[in-house]
Amino acid sequence: GAGVSQSPSNKVTEKGKDVELRCDPISGHTALYWYRQSLGQGLEFLIYFQGNSAPDKSGLPSDRFSAERTGGSVSTLTIQRTQQEDSAVYLCASSLVPAGGPYSYNEQFFGPGTRLTVL
Amino acid sequence: GIQVEQSPPDLILQEGANSTLRCNFSDSVNNLQWFHQNPWGQLINLFYIPSGTKQNGRLSATTVATERYSLLYISSSQTTDSGVYFCAVLYNFNKFYFGSGTKLNVKP
Repeated sequence: GAGVSQSPSNKVTEKGKDVELRCDPISGHTALYWYRQSLGQGLEFLIYFQGNSAPDKSGLPSDRFSAERTGGSVSTLTIQRTQQEDSAVYLCASSLVPAGGPYSYNEQFFGPGTRLTVL
Repeated sequence: GIQVEQSPPDLILQEGANSTLRCNFSDSVNNLQWFHQNPWGQLINLFYIPSGTKQNGRLSATTVATERYSLLYISSSQTTDSGVYFCAVLYNFNKFYFGSGTKLNVKP
């Protein structure tokens, strides 16, 4: 089947505009993750969904960021009033089983990312 | 939060050499994963290893949860192993923390 897909692949926007990033996980995967990677930097965890619920939203960088997941499938990450420091590659991943719990194996499959540039 | 430290930050190997990458973490964690990011940016999950030892081909990983560290072994390295290796820990069942990565360059 298809892997994790993200859209758009590239987004250039002007400072102050809102953007919406989309993630389609692998069908049947219950967990979905959003990460951010700034140019030349490491990975920053943003939020994790188990089904449609996010247990902890404190990883979102500011209140301009929000995320939702509907139907246990597609997720959108919305950034309002974008700033230049929001420029980064936004990565989505999904896994069959939840991130925690008594599982012997829990592989995250990553999408190709959305490269966001805020001018 | 929790601190996750990886070492070494950079590593250059000749093809065929072996190496060990280390990940230390400052508190008890729910799980630990190793990832590889290739030079084109694609991330691949290598191991999900909250404790014990796992092997997959030339790669193996060991996590000693009681001593708060994990090791990733690469044997007979190949140029395709180049990239950045990240470890990540799940803390309080709801938040991942990443190390800053080990950048590996395997030369032919």
